[in-house]
Amino acid sequence: DIQMTQSPSSLSASVGDRVTITCRASQSISSYLNWYQQKPGRAPKLLIYVASSLQSGVPSRFSGSGSGTDFTLTISSLQPEDFATYYCQQSYSAPFTFGPGTKVDIK
Amino acid sequence: QVQLRESGPGLVKPSETLSLTCTVSGGSVSSATSVWSWIRQPPGKGLEFIGYIYHIGSTNYSPSLRSRVTISVDTSKNQFSLKLSSVTAADTAVYYCAKGGDRADYWGQGTLVTVSS
Repeated sequence: DIQMTQSPSSLSASVGDRVTITCRASQSISSYLNWYQQKPGRAPKLLIYVASSLQSGVPSRFSGSGSGTDFTLTISSLQPEDFATYYCQQSYSAPFTFGPGTKVDIK
Repeated sequence: QVQLRESGPGLVKPSETLSLTCTVSGGSVSSATSVWSWIRQPPGKGLEFIGYIYHIGSTNYSPSLRSRVTISVDTSKNQFSLKLSSVTAADTAVYYCAKGGDRADYWGQGTLVTVSS
């Protein structure tokens, strides 16, 4: 299985801040990387797929980049509704493993 | 707009079989190229891929669960199902069904299944 790691595991930020979350794969996954947002008690929501493609309906303040083993999710200006946990997922080969998550909370 | 809803017992005894069904609306489980997944999340923990099924019935399971998992599709009811045998407390989790295999773009709301005697 491909192992996924994320850093940091949690962060505190203020509304308006630029936030960057990093995801690393244990082997090259080309650009086959998804990002999800999950709020407490809710199902995850797909934000970005194939590393940098924005899912329909997702605000443009979310962006993704990277290829190979290293990827980033950036929120350009954090909004109140963005406080949540973010997961990366490799879609290169099954099982499509997830990272452990990064919790973004209010400073 | 595709909608998914999980259903099944919320409590399962150890060593028994967990059975869940996902009912799909706004889309067809038999549509060409469609793929349907199960993902779970233990309380307070991260997401774990369980497996997926293609519209034609072929499946792919997580190696760690493969010996205990069966995913099937019922096109007549527009549903797909999960069976997990020989459950233990470690299988306690919120179970999600989702549309997509390598990319889950629609999710059910999730259902908590507790394994306890």
